[in-house]
Amino acid sequence: AQSVTQLDSQVPVFEEAPVELRCNYSSSVSVYLFWYVQYPNQGLQLLLKYLSGSTLVESINGFEAEFNKSQTSFHLRKPSVHISDTAEYFCAVSKRGSQGNLIFGKGTKLSVKP
Amino acid sequence: GAGVSQTPSNKVTEKGKYVELRCDPISGHTALYWYRQSLGQGPEFLIYFQGTGAADDSGLPNDRFFAVRPEGSVSTLKIQRTERGDSAVYLCASSIRQGGSREQFFGPGTRLTVL
Repeated sequence: AQSVTQLDSQVPVFEEAPVELRCNYSSSVSVYLFWYVQYPNQGLQLLLKYLSGSTLVESINGFEAEFNKSQTSFHLRKPSVHISDTAEYFCAVSKRGSQGNLIFGKGTKLSVKP
Repeated sequence: GAGVSQTPSNKVTEKGKYVELRCDPISGHTALYWYRQSLGQGPEFLIYFQGTGAADDSGLPNDRFFAVRPEGSVSTLKIQRTERGDSAVYLCASSIRQGGSREQFFGPGTRLTVL
């Protein structure tokens, strides 16, 4: 079975500061890795995903995540956050070769303060 | 184009009642997933449809929960004899095809409150 652990339930940061949201997973088989974001009063949206190839993946709004197989981690980073990044971020995995149902972590609430 | 829509957005019911939650996936998406998100938790998988058939219902908590997708598009999640513990946000997602690498597009959810 797969599981996902997000170590921080809340992360408060000041605008323009760097941020890292941590995600570790456990799986006996190969997985795909995802970060989803939920802005206030909106549905979940895909932020970025790792399928294969380069272990560093980027989103269009400046976030990046690095797949680390040895540490079974997929931490999300941004060098300089904006107020508009305030949201809840969910790390998720799906088993390779599966029908695609996602296993989510509990989420991390990022709060960016001016 | 339109995204995934879910109705109602909010549903308040009394313990023991029957409820139906509807999901309209993105047109052309053959894969449809239901998840449940309890307070302070991430979404948890309930059931997956490929076309009209429920290909995997292993996440349904018990036999009070049932879902259908009779024409391969709209899906309805049905909960019988609701209990207070069923209170949660029910999320629907669709994907153009099945597969672990496919992006899932989520609806806004239905917030179910059982009094």
